[in-house]
This record gives sequence, structure tokens and C-alpha cells, in this order.
Amino acid sequence: GAGVSQSPRYKVTKRGQDVALRCDPISGHVSLYWYRQALGQGPEFLTYFNYEAQQDKSGLPNDRFSAERPEGSISTLTIQRTEQRDSAMYRCASSLGQPNEKLFFGSGTQLSVL
Amino acid sequence: SQKIEQNSEALNIQEGKTATLTCNYTNYSPAYLQWYRQDPGRGPVFLLLIRENEKEKRKERLKVTFDTTLKQSLFHITASQPADSATYLCALVGGSYIPTFGRGTSLIVHP
Repeated sequence: GAGVSQSPRYKVTKRGQDVALRCDPISGHVSLYWYRQALGQGPEFLTYFNYEAQQDKSGLPNDRFSAERPEGSISTLTIQRTEQRDSAMYRCASSLGQPNEKLFFGSGTQLSVL
Repeated sequence: SQKIEQNSEALNIQEGKTATLTCNYTNYSPAYLQWYRQDPGRGPVFLLLIRENEKEKRKERLKVTFDTTLKQSLFHITASQPADSATYLCALVGGSYIPTFGRGTSLIVHP
């Protein structure tokens, strides 16, 4: 596709349910990042991949959060047993993977946990 | 701990003036610094990158400076227009190549 695509655009779920957020990066982009952004704040790093390898997951808040990118393209961020504090905008970004490379962001998934 | 500071108060300026936004950081040694623009409801969009060994970078009406001694970057928009109104985010990138973002500063350009 022309840009980074994220789905769903909005997700409302009940506390305790699992959710899966999908990211389809720009074709050919090696690196894929997941960020979380609260209202009025900048994006907060969660995890990133080069190809299918998860290079850094230091930003994941706890073990309820996991991510995968099995074929080096589409990535899924999964949150198990959601809590209200998980409500936020989840943003995916991709880049060519070279040092200095700019990130291209998707429109995000707005998660609301009731 | 590492800290990136951008002014949380909105910057209000008159059309045609130069807008100057500040990004300060502590306990960080970035290899380079990026500036992004974010419009409401949208993801950040890359604007400019400046490396640690560069003092200044320009692109059309945009200018970025990077002072590693002061640990500060300044972002200037000359001849500002109402269409420049948005939130501007700075992002620092170190050896891990993971951009770390500031909270952003909102710019409002009045006609």
C-alpha cells in the first residue's frame, strides 16, 4: 500500500478481554515500530522489529503485552486481559531500516477499555 | 533518567512572523535528532533530521539547529502561515536507533 495501514481504526472492548491490533507497513520497509500515545503526549516506544526479529521490547509495559511479525511484514500487537489503563492510541511506524531513517506513521488504533 | 523537554504551553504567533520551538534534553547523547509535525487525529509526519555533527539544517521555510553543548535543538518556521498550525514533536535517536519523542509543542498561527 501507499502508507502504513493500521486496523481496526477504533476498538472498544471490555476489561479482561484480549485484543489484537494489526499493522501493515510500507512495502519494503525493514523496520517496524509500535508506539503508544496518550492525549497531549508524544509517542511512547513499545517495541520494534527488523524483518521478523524483535530487536527491542523494553517499552512493553508488562507481560500482558506482546508483539510479533512472523514473516517480516505485517505485525500484530496483542494485549491480553485488557485493563482500563491500556486505553490509548496505539501507533505503528515503519522505516527502511537504515540509520538516520525517518519513520512513517500509520493513523493509529484508538483502544478504549470499558 | 533521560528526559526530553518541549514547552507544554501552546505558542501563539501572528501570520508572517517566525515561530521558534525548543527541544531540550538531559542525560542523553543523541546521534541525531528529528522533527515531526502532527495534526489532530493523525500520525506524526517527518519534517527534518539533523546529525550531532551538524549545526544547522534548512528546508524551505524550516530551519533546525542542534547544539550538543547546550543539549538543545531549535526549530524555526519563517513567514509562518495558519496552515503551519499543528503540534511539533522532536525525537532523539541514539545508538539503539529507536526514536524517543518529546511531548510536542502546539503552534497556533493567527491570520
